[in-house]
Amino acid sequence: KQEVTQIPAALSVPEGENLVLNCSFTDSAIYNLQWFRQDPGKGLTSLLLIQSSQREQTSGRLNASLDKSSGRSTLYIAASQPGDSATYLCAVSREGNYKLTFGKGTLLTVNP
Amino acid sequence: DAGITQSPRHKVTETGTPVTLRCHQTENHRYMYWYRQDPGHGLRLIHYSYGVKDTDKGEVSDGYSVSRSKTEDFLLTLESATSSQTSVYFCAISDPQKGGYSNQPQHFGDGTRLSIL
Repeated sequence: KQEVTQIPAALSVPEGENLVLNCSFTDSAIYNLQWFRQDPGKGLTSLLLIQSSQREQTSGRLNASLDKSSGRSTLYIAASQPGDSATYLCAVSREGNYKLTFGKGTLLTVNP
Repeated sequence: DAGITQSPRHKVTETGTPVTLRCHQTENHRYMYWYRQDPGHGLRLIHYSYGVKDTDKGEVSDGYSVSRSKTEDFLLTLESATSSQTSVYFCAISDPQKGGYSNQPQHFGDGTRLSIL
C-alpha cells in the first residue's frame, strides 16, 4: 500500500525567504506526482505535475523535483510572499491507475 | 478554474438519514472522483468513475455508493449517515485523453462540508 509522508507538518518563515517542502512515498511504481495548494475552506489548486519519467517541473517561483528511485520529491518556493501562505499537498498516482494517494500536507505561513 | 460545482456546500443532518451530494462538471472530463478530507488522515479516495455508469471503489468506500448517469454529474450517496461520515467531501475531475495519460492533473471543486449529528 502506497504511503505518502510530508515533512515538516508546519513551517513558518519570514517574507522573502527561499524554502523547501518535502514529500516521500513508499512505492516507486508511480505514474506521476502532483503538488497542490489548499487555502482555508477551499478546494485544491494544482500547482505542478511531474511525470514519472521527468526530474523536475517549474512554474514561476515554484520548482518541483522528483527522484523516483529514492521515493522523494521536493517543492522549492523562491522569494516567499505572504500570499504563499496555505497548505501544500503532494499526491502520487499509481502506474496504470489514476487514483491519487495524498500526503497530509505542510501548513506554510509566510510572515510579512 | 475548472468548471466544477458541488452541491450543497454545507449540510447538517441526523444519524440514520440518507444524504446525496452532487458534483457537476462542465469540462466533459471522463474521470470523476469523490474524496473525503479529515484532520489527521488527509484526503482519501471514496469512489471514482471512468465513464458513464462505470465506477469503482476507492480506499474508504464502505457506507457510500455512487452513480453516474451522465458525463457531467457524479452523485455520492450515504444510504444511512453515521457520525463517522462527518467530513469535508471533495469532487475532482480529470481526463487522461487530453494530452496523454500521465500529463493531466486532477481539478478539484470547493467541497461540501457535511455534519452528521
